Amino acid sequence: EPEVTQTPSHQVTQMGQEVILRCVPISNHLYFYWYRQILGQKVEFLVSFYNNEISEKSEIFDDQFSVERPDGSNFTLKIRSTKLEDSAMYFCASPRGGASTDTQYFGPGTRLTVL
Amino acid sequence: SQQGEEDPQALSIQEGENATMNCSYKTSINNLQWYRQNSGRGLVHLILIRSNEREKHSGRLRVTLDTSKKSSSLLITASRAADTASYFCATDETGTASKLTFGTGTRLQVTL
Repeated sequence: EPEVTQTPSHQVTQMGQEVILRCVPISNHLYFYWYRQILGQKVEFLVSFYNNEISEKSEIFDDQFSVERPDGSNFTLKIRSTKLEDSAMYFCASPRGGASTDTQYFGPGTRLTVL
Repeated sequence: SQQGEEDPQALSIQEGENATMNCSYKTSINNLQWYRQNSGRGLVHLILIRSNEREKHSGRLRVTLDTSKKSSSLLITASRAADTASYFCATDETGTASKLTFGTGTRLQVTL
């Protein structure tokens, strides 16, 4: 199975601090996604990114969130001023074949804890 | 009900038995994907079934899709203790940027 990697695996931060979560998607892919999962709840879509632009975002993805592709391989999710309710697992994903309707492979996730 | 609801919410069976999980959804879809998640861990892709397919197999997994009823089922045959996990269906709705909408999941416990 193709590998999507994420760093860090666990991030602890104080409320109000900025965090950057990193993802290395499957190479040569054009579509990237971020999802989050609050403990005990279902996985929720945050944002999709295609051709270096946001193509769709959810209501959760407010002005505190941003995504970037700073270089050819990394894909980042930044939360500017974290809140307690941002504590969750954050997953990035990219589709297998590069087409948006292919199997989406997920990274192992970053557990974000906001104190 | 919400897009992508699974039932049952929890299922406990003995090793060797079959486990069936169901998923219902509300909109038109491109495909439906099933994932597995061990407690606190990442999502492992199991199988994808496209809207024009009715059944797919992968090892001990069998997935069906009924687009007229907007439902899917995942069957795990001859279950093992290692199959203990949460199982989620996720729909790729038409007209979206292929974001996945996940269900609430079925927690499967397989005992020896």
